[in-house]
Order: sequence, then structure tokens, then C-alpha cells
Amino acid sequence: AQTVTQSQPEMSVQEAETVTLSCTYDTSENNYYLFWYKQPPSRQMILVIRQEAYKQQNATENRFSVNFQKAAKSFSLKISDSQLGDTAMYFCAFMKGLNNAGNMLTFGGGTRLMVKP
Amino acid sequence: EAGVAQSPRYKIIEKRQSVAFWCNPISGHATLYWYQQILGQGPKLLIQFQNNGVVDDSQLPKDRFSAERLKGVDSTLKIQPAKLEDSAVYLCASSLGLAGGYNEQFFGPGTRLTVL
Repeated sequence: AQTVTQSQPEMSVQEAETVTLSCTYDTSENNYYLFWYKQPPSRQMILVIRQEAYKQQNATENRFSVNFQKAAKSFSLKISDSQLGDTAMYFCAFMKGLNNAGNMLTFGGGTRLMVKP
Repeated sequence: EAGVAQSPRYKIIEKRQSVAFWCNPISGHATLYWYQQILGQGPKLLIQFQNNGVVDDSQLPKDRFSAERLKGVDSTLKIQPAKLEDSAVYLCASSLGLAGGYNEQFFGPGTRLTVL
């Protein structure tokens, strides 16, 4: 079974600054995906960024980037130029590599991020 | 393109009562998931459907929870009877379900259940 751990329950950052959210995971799988999801207050979960385990290059999506350390089983999210709209719960999630049509997500406990003006 | 729809958005019931939640996935999505998100925690999978068949229900408390997806489109999740610890947000997600590659999961807004 896979486990995902987020050790920072809450974080805050000043608007326009950079913040890094931590995530570690445990798995015996060799092929898998890692994700960061954003869940704004009272709004639905949306995908922020995805990383394939077989790719050495860290994924980047505009202001969001990851630091994927496969050997250490670490997957952190860096948010640059933080904006007020980034205020949300952030979940790190794991999915086994696919040989079939779909696999479940295993989520961490979440980090509540507050962006301060 | 319409997203994943869920209803009701909120539900308050007394313990030992029954409740049902409905989910309509994105059109054409073969895979449907129900997750339970207890306050302050990450979502946990309850059940996964591929079309109208169950792929994984290993974490579904089958003594009180049931789910169906009879025509391979809409799905209903039922709790009977409810317990206090069932208070949570119930999230529905769907994906294309194409074999051999990554299929992004899209989430609905969730149903917030409060059991008194």
C-alpha cells in the first residue's frame, strides 16, 4: 500500500513571495504518478501539476514547479510570485502507474496555505 | 464542457437515518470514483467504477454503504444507517478511463454531510 505524508498542516506567505510545500511518500511501485491538487475554500478540487516518476525533469506549470527526488521519495511544490488566489488547501497525491483504464488517488493530509496581502 | 455534477450540495440528517448522494460524471467518462473527505484530512477512495462494473470497493464499509452505477453513467452512493463518523464531504470524480495511459480525474463540488 502507498502512503503520502504532508508534514506542514499550515503555511503562510506574503503576496509576491515564494513558498515551498513538502510531501513525502512511500511505495514499492516503480511506475507511478505524483500530483499536487488545490482545493480552495468551499470550491472543488483542481489539478495543479503532475509528475511522471520515469521522468527526471521536474514538472513546471507557470508559477508552479516541483522538486521530485525519486530516491528520497520526496515531492515538493514551489509556488512563485504568490497571489491571493493561491489561498487554499493543497494536497499531494499518488497514483500507481497504469496498465488498465484507471487507478485511484492516494492523498496526503493536506497543507493549508494562506497568502497574505 | 460541463463538469462533474453532484447533488445535494449539503445534507443534514440524524444518526441512524438514511441518505443518498447523486453524481453525474463528465459525458463520455467511463471511470467514476467516490471519495470520502473527513474534515481536516485528504480524500479517501470509497469505490471505483469502470462503466457499470466495480473495480475497487475494498475501502467501502459495506455494512452501511452501498453504491451503484446501473447504466454506466450516473451513480448513487447510499448510507444506511448513518453514524456520526460519516460526517464528511463526499466527492465524486470521473475520468475517461482509456487503457494504456494517464487519465486525469476531474472532481465534482462534493456533498457535505452532517450527521447529528
